[in-house]
Amino acid sequence: DAGVTQSPTHLIKTRGQHVTLRCSPISGHKSVSWYQQVLGQGPQFIFQYYEKEERGRGNFPDRFSARQFPNYSSELNVNALLLGDSALYLCASSWTGGGGELFFGEGSRLTVL
Amino acid sequence: TQLLEQSPQFLSIQEGENLTVYCNSSSVFSSLQWYRQEPGEGPVLLVTVVTGGEVKKLKRLTFRFGDARKDSSLHITAAQPGDTGLYLCAGASGSARQLTFGSGTQLTVLP
Repeated sequence: DAGVTQSPTHLIKTRGQHVTLRCSPISGHKSVSWYQQVLGQGPQFIFQYYEKEERGRGNFPDRFSARQFPNYSSELNVNALLLGDSALYLCASSWTGGGGELFFGEGSRLTVL
Repeated sequence: TQLLEQSPQFLSIQEGENLTVYCNSSSVFSSLQWYRQEPGEGPVLLVTVVTGGEVKKLKRLTFRFGDARKDSSLHITAAQPGDTGLYLCAGASGSARQLTFGSGTQLTVLP
């Protein structure tokens, strides 16, 4: 069975641009969460979606948005990129929207120049 | 804002040595998880502890959850080079819709 898949794996953008990151959860998982991991730090929660509805939002500006599709895949969008947005963006899926094990993808490494 | 502090931040030891990593907070968590992350990969769950005072063993790894559910530790016995990686603790609270991660401990085990 495939794990959590994310695309693209690496990308380079310039300040002010927009980026879309994609995530496919493990088959049967209905919840997707997004985390940002800056180099040298632990992941920081951005969003959680369950059954296509936003169930949680971390302390990130409105430039960050996300959505979940009927097939439970998800997109994370970041507008007006800043240098500080350079990070590894991790997607994690789980069976439900509550507690329980998170299964992480390998992440999308974003570099903003 | 809930914070988890991990120590040490970096740890380099010889194969066969023992080590302990600590995870502390001023907040109470309903559960605490430990993950290991290797370069180029996402974190992988090692264990979840739920009950205050709980001890779980996973081969050479021993995990403890503090009585007050504010702190945890990970002890590795006879470390091996394959244990090298970034160890992250993460706390869940309330509805557990999000995890609060510590800053991680980068462990290097030298052969």
